[in-house]
Amino acid sequence: NAGVMQNPRHLVRRRGQEARLRCSPMKGHSHVYWYRQLPEEGLKFMVYLQKENIIDESGMPKERFSAEFPKEGPSILRIQQVVRGDSAAYFCASSEQGGHGANVLTFGAGSRLTVL
Amino acid sequence: GENVEQHPSTLSVQEGDSAVIKCTYSDSASNYFPWYKQELGKGPQLIIDIRSNVGEKKDQRIAVTLNKTAKHFSLHITETQPEDSAVYFCAASIGQAGTALIFGKGTTLSVSS
Repeated sequence: NAGVMQNPRHLVRRRGQEARLRCSPMKGHSHVYWYRQLPEEGLKFMVYLQKENIIDESGMPKERFSAEFPKEGPSILRIQQVVRGDSAAYFCASSEQGGHGANVLTFGAGSRLTVL
Repeated sequence: GENVEQHPSTLSVQEGDSAVIKCTYSDSASNYFPWYKQELGKGPQLIIDIRSNVGEKKDQRIAVTLNKTAKHFSLHITETQPEDSAVYFCAASIGQAGTALIFGKGTTLSVSS
């Protein structure tokens, strides 16, 4: 079991460019979560998805950020027109079950975005 | 909004000593409380968790206690070893549906030999 796979591990973008981060959940997991970690901070929830559905996006910024988890392929977190404040580590997690306090999450190694 | 407070932010102990990290949460509907260990450059790894119908759980040198009335829970590591050095995060599930977790800001544990 390869665990939660994230790529790229490191991404450098200039202001105004787009960043795309990919996440493949653990085998058998159908629930995907994205979290953002700023330096010296804990993880902040962004969005929770199941296949083809966004379940909870209460932590997503209203503009420039979007996420999807298509029927086939990895989940993608997309940041348009990046700004320096978007520089952070973005972690994806997956779980076999979702909701109702059953969230045993397995995290990936993260994608570190640097905006120049 | 809901939040989780974690203390201390840094903790230094000698090898063999015990370490205790404490967290408080605000959402009375929270019912799942995991602890994660994060090593430099890696993702968080679940080390132990507890659900609201249990007051204490132990796994070898690691234990977690939960006081739902006071809304706080603690991580206890006994006989610490240098490889325990890492950042530890507590978390609490959000709301009745528990669709996500709120994390504390982390405790950097340093175990010196």
